[in-house]
Amino acid sequence: KAGVTQTPRYLIKTRGQQVTLSCSPISGHRSVSWYQQTPGQGLQFLFEYFSETQRNKGNFPGRFSGRQFSNSRSEMNVSTLELGDSALYLCASRKTVDSSYNEQFFGPGTRLTVL
Amino acid sequence: AQSVTQLDSHVSVSEGTPVLLRCNYSSSYSPSLFWYVQHPNKGLQLLLKYTSAATLVKGINGFEAEFKKSETSFHLTKPSAHMSDAAEYFCVVSRSGGYQKVTFGIGTKLQVIP
Repeated sequence: KAGVTQTPRYLIKTRGQQVTLSCSPISGHRSVSWYQQTPGQGLQFLFEYFSETQRNKGNFPGRFSGRQFSNSRSEMNVSTLELGDSALYLCASRKTVDSSYNEQFFGPGTRLTVL
Repeated sequence: AQSVTQLDSHVSVSEGTPVLLRCNYSSSYSPSLFWYVQHPNKGLQLLLKYTSAATLVKGINGFEAEFKKSETSFHLTKPSAHMSDAAEYFCVVSRSGGYQKVTFGIGTKLQVIP
């Protein structure tokens, strides 16, 4: 079974631009979560989608948005990029959001550099 | 409400000596607990998970963790460290029923000295 895939793996943008990252979950998984990881702030939760609905959201500005499609694939968008948005963006999928011991599976991440 | 505290941000051990990475949790509900490992520039990989079937949980690569409800702890151990164990380790808590909000610890960086 294929794992979680993220595209692109690396991205370089300049301040003020916008970016869209993509995540394909493991087949059969209906939940996708997004995380931002930086050396200074560590791993921070952005949001989780389940069956095309946002179920939970972290403390990030409105410039960060996401969506999930009917095939469970998800995209994350960051508008008006700032230098501080440079980070590794990780996507994780899980089967559901309401059954016991339901672990997340992570993709390799997208490394975003903002110049 | 739930939270997780990883008591050490950095741990350094010599190769061949035991590893102990400490994690305490707080949860209003019966918790699900997990340990993940992240090697440099990689995604996170599940090491083990607590499923309530047994308090001592065995994971991959020789790691294990013991769930202690009275101490609200879920410490990760390994009898003998290997150079390849150098990585960052995350303790994670979520509910075991209802909407499973997931909460990550800040991570513990394990250094293995040859």
